[in-house]
Amino acid sequence: GAVVSQHPSWVICKSGTSVKIECRSLDFQATTMFWYRQFPKQSLMLMATSNEGSKATYEQGVEKDKFLINHASLTLSTLTVTSAHPEDSSFYICSARKGQELGGYTFGSGTRLTVV
Amino acid sequence: QKEVEQNSGPLSVPEGAIASLNCTYSDRGSQSFFWYRQYSGKSPELIMFIYSNGDKEDGRFTAQLNKASQYVSLLIRDSQPSDSATYLCAVRTAGQNFVFGPGTRLSVLP
Repeated sequence: GAVVSQHPSWVICKSGTSVKIECRSLDFQATTMFWYRQFPKQSLMLMATSNEGSKATYEQGVEKDKFLINHASLTLSTLTVTSAHPEDSSFYICSARKGQELGGYTFGSGTRLTVV
Repeated sequence: QKEVEQNSGPLSVPEGAIASLNCTYSDRGSQSFFWYRQYSGKSPELIMFIYSNGDKEDGRFTAQLNKASQYVSLLIRDSQPSDSATYLCAVRTAGQNFVFGPGTRLSVLP
């Protein structure tokens, strides 16, 4: 089955610093990856769609200059939270789809970001 | 109207009973429908997907889709305490957007 690896699983950083989160498809090539954010007791909210070799597509209300996405290869997408603030503390999750399989969306294990 | 709606719960059922989780969606052109289970602090994991009207069974899980009513449900037979989690309904819309519902929290009581 499709496996998506996400690192780190948790990170604590100081306010004003930047944090990079990696999402890798381990056994398939993913031309498209998705980044979600989930606040406690709330549903997943799509932040952006990461496209290999091109710019990411951001959802309305998501600051593209704050949440930098790079999808440099078919197996790796990164999300960098720049100048993080306490309100950015959340659970960040990536997902990818293997090919065109209807049910093929697989999620990474998520990254718990705490900004202090 | 939200694109995908679910009752937030909690839905409590006794062990061994059938748990019924419901989801409605607003985009009539939606093409495929997914049920994910999410344990607290963990990522969602796919349980089932369905794209044709009717029922689809996989072990203790049955997904039911009624496109005319814009309704999809998940039945869990012989519920176990380990089924206690939040169940997320997700829809791929006609515009190819992937939209999650808010989730229903299920509690299976021993």
